[in-house]
Amino acid sequence: KAGVTQTPRYLIKTRGQQVTLSCSPISGHRSVSWYQQTPGQGLQFLFEYFSETQRNKGNFPGRFSGRQFSNSRSEMNVSTLELGDSALYLCASSLDPGGKLFFGSGTQLSVL
Amino acid sequence: KNEVEQSPQNLTAQEGEFITINCSYSVGISALHWLQQHPGGGIVSLFMLSSGKKKHGRLIATINIQEKHSSLHITASHPRDSAVYICAVRFTGGSQFYFGTGTSLTVIP
Repeated sequence: KAGVTQTPRYLIKTRGQQVTLSCSPISGHRSVSWYQQTPGQGLQFLFEYFSETQRNKGNFPGRFSGRQFSNSRSEMNVSTLELGDSALYLCASSLDPGGKLFFGSGTQLSVL
Repeated sequence: KNEVEQSPQNLTAQEGEFITINCSYSVGISALHWLQQHPGGGIVSLFMLSSGKKKHGRLIATINIQEKHSSLHITASHPRDSAVYICAVRFTGGSQFYFGTGTSLTVIP
């Protein structure tokens, strides 16, 4: 059974650009959540999706958005990138919200 | 206020030692997860707890709901256990996760 797949693995952008990250959950998992990890702030929750609906969102500005498709694949978008958005972005899937999390390898975003 | 505190922040142990990592939280929770992150970023969920104790191989996780405290124990530690261990909680009535700052464990042969 394939694990959680995140693409791309690495990304370099410049300030002001926007970026879209993709996450394919484990087959049969309907819940997808996104996290930002930085050396200074550690892991922080971004948002969680279940059945194409956003269930909750962390304390991030509106520049951070996401969506989930009918096949449970999810994308997150960051617009008007800032230097501080440089981070490892992790996606996790679970059968249902609150279930055991299975993480992808992450997308390392560098904003120059 | 929803808070999660982990201790210690850093831990160095000799191979074979018994290791304990602690996690305390401020209010009631619906679930607590212990995560392991190796260098390179990959995160693995070790345990999900809402009460009692769970064991998997040399790893044991316990939670005391009344004390609002959980511990992760590693018996007979091995260099391959070297990683960052992170406590994550989902507070009662909420659906997002809050994370501890992580414990960086180094096991020396």
